[in-house]
Amino acid sequence: AQTVTQSQPEMSVQEAETVTLSCTYDTSESDYYLFWYKQPPSRQMILVIRQEAYKQQNATENRFSVNFQKAAKSFSLKISDSQLGDAAMYFCAYRSPGSARQLTFGSGTQLTVLP
Amino acid sequence: SAVISQKPSRDICQRGTSLTIQCQVDSQVTMMFWYRQQPGQSLTLIATANQGSEATYESGFVIDKFPISRPNLTFSTLTVSNMSPEDSSIYLCSVGQNYEQYFGPGTRLTVT
Repeated sequence: AQTVTQSQPEMSVQEAETVTLSCTYDTSESDYYLFWYKQPPSRQMILVIRQEAYKQQNATENRFSVNFQKAAKSFSLKISDSQLGDAAMYFCAYRSPGSARQLTFGSGTQLTVLP
Repeated sequence: SAVISQKPSRDICQRGTSLTIQCQVDSQVTMMFWYRQQPGQSLTLIATANQGSEATYESGFVIDKFPISRPNLTFSTLTVSNMSPEDSSIYLCSVGQNYEQYFGPGTRLTVT
């Protein structure tokens, strides 16, 4: 079974600065998907970014980018130019290949953005 | 992306009663997933619901406690039966589409 570990329960960043959230995972599969989700106080789960394991290039979405290290089974999220609206709980998630599979979530990192 | 709605958005229930949560998707999907998020915790998968077949439950979750219906490709319900305070959680419906997974807004359940 796959496991996802987020070792930082809480992080804080100054507005306009950069922060990196860590995630490691354990799997015996060679092909899979990794995700970062954001959950603000509204509790809506919002997809931030997705990475396919077969792609060597790191995914980027505007101010959000990942550092995907497949051999190390590491998948960190970098948020650049942090904004107050980025404050939320961030979850790293793993999914096996296939278009309709369940996610395995990490324990989450609570991000605070300081004005 | 799929748009998912859930009803109710929140409820306060007495112990021993049951609550049925509805999940509606704006497009047809093969699989729907139900997750539980206990206070301050991550999401845990309860079950996977396919249309026309029995739901598949994860370890620690049973059909008698969390019966699920999936009458068509856009709708599912999750019932939390014989509730206790330990069932107080957010319950989220989710669907997979185009290699991404989308979530409903969740149902916040408080059992007193």
